[in-house]
Amino acid sequence: QQPVQSPQAVILREGEDAVINCSSSKALYSVHWYRQKHGEAPVFLMILLKGGEQKGHEKISASFNEKKQQSSLYLTASQLSYSGTYFCGTEMWETSYDKVIFGPGTSLSVIP
Amino acid sequence: NAGVTQTPKFRVLKTGQSMTLLCAQDMNHEYMYWYRQDPGMGLRLIHYSVGEGTTAKGEVPDGYNVSRLKKQNFLLGLESAAPSQTSVYFCASSYPTSGANVLTFGAGSRLTVL
Repeated sequence: QQPVQSPQAVILREGEDAVINCSSSKALYSVHWYRQKHGEAPVFLMILLKGGEQKGHEKISASFNEKKQQSSLYLTASQLSYSGTYFCGTEMWETSYDKVIFGPGTSLSVIP
Repeated sequence: NAGVTQTPKFRVLKTGQSMTLLCAQDMNHEYMYWYRQDPGMGLRLIHYSVGEGTTAKGEVPDGYNVSRLKKQNFLLGLESAAPSQTSVYFCASSYPTSGANVLTFGAGSRLTVL
């Protein structure tokens, strides 16, 4: 039931781009993206509700492919402040979309 | 406006002891959640509540109990703590609007069971 995230970890130099993927074996109602800095609580980035929906937050954007049951998070022109662990959270149709189940996370490190 | 407050922030227990973690939110949110976070495992849902007086099991409910007697509070209890329950526990709350169930997290409670 837990979504799968890839890659597990990625190291970028400032200004480089990255893509983090999230996929589920179950039909999805929504996909959430959160970022967690070391020793802090996860912070909401964005939520995608409809298949094909794309959203953006500064230079971070995401897409949701409902048919493929997957979402991707795009980080462009990365900054040092983007470092952290990124989690996708999923709500599934079969569980009446009140439970948010998270993936194992992707550790992103941006270096100068 | 404090958001989601968890107490205590740190606790050390001996195997077999019991304790309760308190989560309080002041945003009038309907839904509340307890997650545990372990290295490489992400955030795993323990129990959740969709309203006062209701609770439901998540992915890893064994060894834990919860209560939601008041809308603003969600308590997580460990009746007989085990070393496998050493973890960081996060509480979250949400108020679904227009189908969007965005979670607000507390700062976390670090529990060590010896």
